[in-house]
Amino acid sequence: EAGVTQFPSHSVIEKGQTVTLRCDPISGHDNLYWYRRVMGKEIKFLLHFVKESKQDESGMPNNRFLAERTGGTYSTLKVQPAELEDSGVYFCASSLSRPGRRGYTFGSGTRLTVV
Amino acid sequence: DQQVKQNSPSLSVQEGRISILNCDYTNSMFDYFLWYKKYPAEGPTFLISISSIKDKNEDGRFTVFLNKSAKHLSLHIVPSQPGDSAVYFCAASARGSSNTGKLIFGQGTTLQVKP
Repeated sequence: EAGVTQFPSHSVIEKGQTVTLRCDPISGHDNLYWYRRVMGKEIKFLLHFVKESKQDESGMPNNRFLAERTGGTYSTLKVQPAELEDSGVYFCASSLSRPGRRGYTFGSGTRLTVV
Repeated sequence: DQQVKQNSPSLSVQEGRISILNCDYTNSMFDYFLWYKKYPAEGPTFLISISSIKDKNEDGRFTVFLNKSAKHLSLHIVPSQPGDSAVYFCAASARGSSNTGKLIFGQGTTLQVKP
């Protein structure tokens, strides 16, 4: 079984530019989550999809962030325009159902650096 | 308002000895607590969890203890091995219909096991 795939693994962009991160969840996983870790701090929830619907986007920092999940398969997270404070590692995770005692599977993350 | 806290940023132990990683929380609505391990340039991987109705869960060298009255949990690794060197995250999931399965993470503790 393929794991959660994220790309690019690294992205360096200038302030004001646009970046799109992609996540391919494990096949069949309806639940898809985006998280972010900034500067060695805690891993923070951004949003949750169930299939193609946004179930919870309470963690999205502001309207410069736009997440989509086309047809309930892969998801993209676009940052436009990027600011310096957006730098960090963006993780995607997926699960069959609510994580409960098994948690969910994370991808390796995309390290975003805004200069 | 950080609901899950790991107050020790780092821990160093000798191979073969016990590693104890601690985590405190504030929300009494959490129903599951999970530990994730993260190696550099990889995503977090699920390690072990405990339900809020239990006070101990064991899986091989890993044991998690939960003290609900103190709102404290700990992860014990015995015996510690050099391959256990990683960042360990404590995470919690809240019960209730409004919860979509998002996890609240602590800041992480970097464990170094010396040969």
